[in-house]
Amino acid sequence: GQQLNQSPQSMFIQEGEDVSMNCTSSSIFNTWLWYKQDPGEGPVLLIALYKAGELTSNGRLTAQFGITRKDSFLNISASIPSDVGIYFCAVTGTYKYIFGTGTRLKVLA
Amino acid sequence: NAGVTQTPKFQVLKTGQSMTLQCAQDMNHEYMSWYRQDPGMGLRLIHYSVGAGITDQGEVPNGYNVSRSTTEDFPLRLLSAAPSQTSVYFCASSYSDRVVEGYTFGSGTRLTVV
Repeated sequence: GQQLNQSPQSMFIQEGEDVSMNCTSSSIFNTWLWYKQDPGEGPVLLIALYKAGELTSNGRLTAQFGITRKDSFLNISASIPSDVGIYFCAVTGTYKYIFGTGTRLKVLA
Repeated sequence: NAGVTQTPKFQVLKTGQSMTLQCAQDMNHEYMSWYRQDPGMGLRLIHYSVGAGITDQGEVPNGYNVSRSTTEDFPLRLLSAAPSQTSVYFCASSYSDRVVEGYTFGSGTRLTVV
């Protein structure tokens, strides 16, 4: 089946650092989304991208929809301890999402 | 607003037992789905429904049944539990089947099969 590859799989960073993660696919998709999952909770939508090349911000988060429509990037600026969690990218297939395997972020105070 | 409510939050089953994971939403969402989350595997779709009376299989449907008799409820049944079904299960819903505006997820059911 279709796969989304996320990298890195996990990362430890110091509080205040900027974070970058990406998500790639071998297929073209027209909608890319980023979710965050806090420990013990379900994922929550952070940012949705609907247009190739689009750059969208949500507070300290910035995401970009790759121009080839095969990738997306998520950046977090000035990380804080509550940024800890798993970040998933997702794309829309027919009647469903396809999720990436996630990037696990740990922030060291 | 309750959003998407999943029960139970935790469950331990013996191999061969059956059970139903409950999911209810109060947002009048037409689209509902079940995912399982396993380490390193991300979220994988089990079954989904685009409206009452309509269900379809996702990526990993074997060993699970669903039904959608009302808009609000979408229970997931494990017919004969196996250790391979140890996982965290999430129910999600969306206003329309286009799903582009994003899902609302429940808080999950952590299932252990021994």
